[in-house]
Amino acid sequence: EPEVTQTPSHQVTQMGQEVILRCVPISNHLYFYWYRQILGQKVEFLVSFYNNEISEKSEIFDDQFSVERPDGSNFTLKIRSTKLEDSAMYFCASSEALGDKRTQYFGPGTRLLVL
Amino acid sequence: SQQGEEDPQALSIQEGENATMNCSYKTSINNLQWYRQNSGRGLVHLILIRSNEREKHSGRLRVTLDTSKKSSSLLITASRAADTASYFCATDVRTDKLIFGTGTRLQVFP
Repeated sequence: EPEVTQTPSHQVTQMGQEVILRCVPISNHLYFYWYRQILGQKVEFLVSFYNNEISEKSEIFDDQFSVERPDGSNFTLKIRSTKLEDSAMYFCASSEALGDKRTQYFGPGTRLLVL
Repeated sequence: SQQGEEDPQALSIQEGENATMNCSYKTSINNLQWYRQNSGRGLVHLILIRSNEREKHSGRLRVTLDTSKKSSSLLITASRAADTASYFCATDVRTDKLIFGTGTRLQVFP
């Protein structure tokens, strides 16, 4: 069964460093998302992406964050200058379409630790 | 109050028993989905129920939706130790972003 994959599974970085989290969505999916989950808290929406542009973003998704689909398969989340509070599990998700096919399938996550 | 609150926060049962988790939300929704998360792992989609549906089944899972009460329930029948996980409801309102609840931690003892 096709699945969303994410790399790396774990990332440790120093505060102020840039990180890029990578995702490979399910191949025929058109809608892509990033969510995060701070330890012990809810899963929070960050951004949705369709047709090579951001369709919606949350308040969390400030100028330090950016997303990109550099080729036909990868979807990346970049954090330009990491802060301690960016430590979280970051999930990528994709869906085939909206409407009846709007189920979002999640990847296994990247655990980011900012020191 | 938040969109998407589950209760109970934690539930412990014996294998073979049924587990019922509830989710309440505040605003009108398009769909409600249930996800499972094993400790520290990714989110696994379980079932989606549309706002015009009242009940849906998938294997040992039964989901109900009551839009008048703005609530949903997830029933797992004949639970197994492997069902031990956190269960989240997630709603989408007018857009496709999902709003997750606080989750119910289910522990099934062998």
